[in-house]
Amino acid sequence: EVHLVQSGADVKKPGESLRISCQGSGYSFTNYWINWVRQMPGKGLEWMGRIDPSDSYTNYSPSFQGHVTISIDKSINTAYLQWSSLQASDTAMYYCARLSTHFYGSGSYYYYMDVWGKGTTVTVSS
Amino acid sequence: IVLTQSPGTLSLSPGERATLFCRASQSISSDYLAWYQQKPGQAPRLLIYGASSRATGIPDRFSGSGSGTDFTLTISRLDPEDFAVYYCQHCDTPPYTFGQGTKLEIK
Repeated sequence: EVHLVQSGADVKKPGESLRISCQGSGYSFTNYWINWVRQMPGKGLEWMGRIDPSDSYTNYSPSFQGHVTISIDKSINTAYLQWSSLQASDTAMYYCARLSTHFYGSGSYYYYMDVWGKGTTVTVSS
Repeated sequence: IVLTQSPGTLSLSPGERATLFCRASQSISSDYLAWYQQKPGQAPRLLIYGASSRATGIPDRFSGSGSGTDFTLTISRLDPEDFAVYYCQHCDTPPYTFGQGTKLEIK
């Protein structure tokens, strides 16, 4: 069975660094991009960025570029989201999600996020 | 690309039909339009991909349609378990934006 298992909740102080993880299992990890999605308390979903596990190529949302770093360790099928200096506004739930591509003919593909981790709660408070 | 969902909140009773809308700020390929359901305390779940294809295990009371800038998610007969928040999202060129969500609540 396909799973994305995320690291546990974390509580940090402003200015501290943090790295959270997302480990894939049950599928060929390098064949699917991993995405990170933020959900602030009581709010909607925000796409942060994605990484290609095969070559570590990344794309970031302009809203998050420069504030977070997405990385991969394909030897252990794990993607990471990290901050070098947390702010109180980083308090949120963070989800990782697999991007699937579904070929349906004539060079056409569907793209969608079909497998999600359960989320990691990050709390930043002094 | 900005996705705008309407209404923000929809109050209906079990057994009724629900229609949720998602409008894109510019035309997008329906191949890259998906809908997700999120219940409190849970991760989002994929419902519809390619604007109209149901994901594995999704009941046939859920259907999607649309093209260009206007997309619709329809739930034909609401089950009590369907009351949740629904998001549309495009996976065309990054950034992959989400709509702000429609909360479907019990009337």
